[in-house]
Amino acid sequence: KQEVTQIPAALSVPEGENLVLNCSFTDSAIYNLQWFRQDPGKGLTSLLLIQSSQREQTSGRLNASLDKSSGRSTLYIAASQPGDSATYLCAVGIYGNNRLAFGKGNQVVVIP
Amino acid sequence: EAEVAQSPRYKITEKSQAVAFWCDPISGHATLYWYRQILGQGPELLVQFQDESVVDDSQLPKDRFSAERLKGVDSTLKIQPAELGDSAMYLCASSTGTSGYNEQFFGPGTRLTVL
Repeated sequence: KQEVTQIPAALSVPEGENLVLNCSFTDSAIYNLQWFRQDPGKGLTSLLLIQSSQREQTSGRLNASLDKSSGRSTLYIAASQPGDSATYLCAVGIYGNNRLAFGKGNQVVVIP
Repeated sequence: EAEVAQSPRYKITEKSQAVAFWCDPISGHATLYWYRQILGQGPELLVQFQDESVVDDSQLPKDRFSAERLKGVDSTLKIQPAELGDSAMYLCASSTGTSGYNEQFFGPGTRLTVL
């Protein structure tokens, strides 16, 4: 069974610092990896999608890397802002049953 | 920009009552998913539809949960009877294609509280 772990579970950083969020998964047989943002009581907003053949994706201040062989992905958020405060979820697409396996999330607070 | 629609956004019910949630996926998306997210956890798949057919309902508690997508467009998830442990966020997502190996887009969710 695919297990997805996100470390740290929660973190606080001062505004302007770079954020580094880690995601690890136990089975490298994935077809893609998605990073989502979730605000309290809200749905999921897709941030970045990395296909299994790719090593990284970038969108504005966000950059996500994927190392399938080691079962790891990292989300970098440059120059954090208070508006970046949210929970960030990592999800991997599992071959065979077409489902996403999610981690529990990284809860981020950016302090003004 | 096209979005996944869900209603209601919030639902409070007493245990043993019936509840129903509705989802309208992005137009043209063949695959529809219902997830349940307990507070502090990641979402877990309940059921996946390909057009009007169920392709995965292995995690759906079938004694009380049912889901349908009669015309292959919008979908309804029902719980009868609701239990205290059903309190959670219910998320609907959709994706293009028929393989399921595509980016999933999520709706705003329905927050269910069972008293």
